[in-house]
Amino acid sequence: GAVVSQHPSWVICKSGTSVKIECRSLDFQATTMFWYRQFPKQSLMLMATSNEGSKATYEQGVEKDKFLINHASLTLSTLTVTSAHPEDSSFYICSARTSGRDTGELFFGEGSRLTVL
Amino acid sequence: GQNIDQPTEMTATEGAIVQINCTYQTSGFNGLFWYQQHAGEAPTFLSYNVLDGLEEKGRFSSFLSRSKGYSYLLLKELQMKDSASYLCAVMDSNYQLIWGAGTKLIIKP
Repeated sequence: GAVVSQHPSWVICKSGTSVKIECRSLDFQATTMFWYRQFPKQSLMLMATSNEGSKATYEQGVEKDKFLINHASLTLSTLTVTSAHPEDSSFYICSARTSGRDTGELFFGEGSRLTVL
Repeated sequence: GQNIDQPTEMTATEGAIVQINCTYQTSGFNGLFWYQQHAGEAPTFLSYNVLDGLEEKGRFSSFLSRSKGYSYLLLKELQMKDSASYLCAVMDSNYQLIWGAGTKLIIKP
């Protein structure tokens, strides 16, 4: 199956700093990538849909200026959490779809656990 | 509004069979997915149903009834490693995935 790599897996940072998380599709071109966050014992919450070469589409309630998404190439999307605060501590997961939007399967990165002190 | 319902937690015995149900109400339907998620890890794909009926894949099977807005995931010959959360997700008319809260499956020896 297709491989999506996410880095870093774990990150601890001080409040007020910015953290960048990378999501790479290793063996396929991903025109669309998705960013989720997941709080403990809760389901995945879609934050934004990232389209290569264009601005990301953010879900309602997600701050665009706080969660910067860049999808500069067909194999790389980045999520930058700016001025991180303890409430931003969460599990962030990216996923990518390999083919047309109506065929379904999403491949997920390993996830990045962010802890803001 | 859009809604996905699945039980919060289920317990089953090693070697047994368990059925995890999922009911949904969404704006349109473009397929239903089941994902497995072990604690602290990303979800992994299990199945995709877009037509009514049963899809079998080894020990796991998934069933869909679009008229009833209902699906189930059937796990046979349960193993301890099957202890995980199972997420039901529906793709709506805008091709957005609507996620259920997940069912935590506990397997006992």
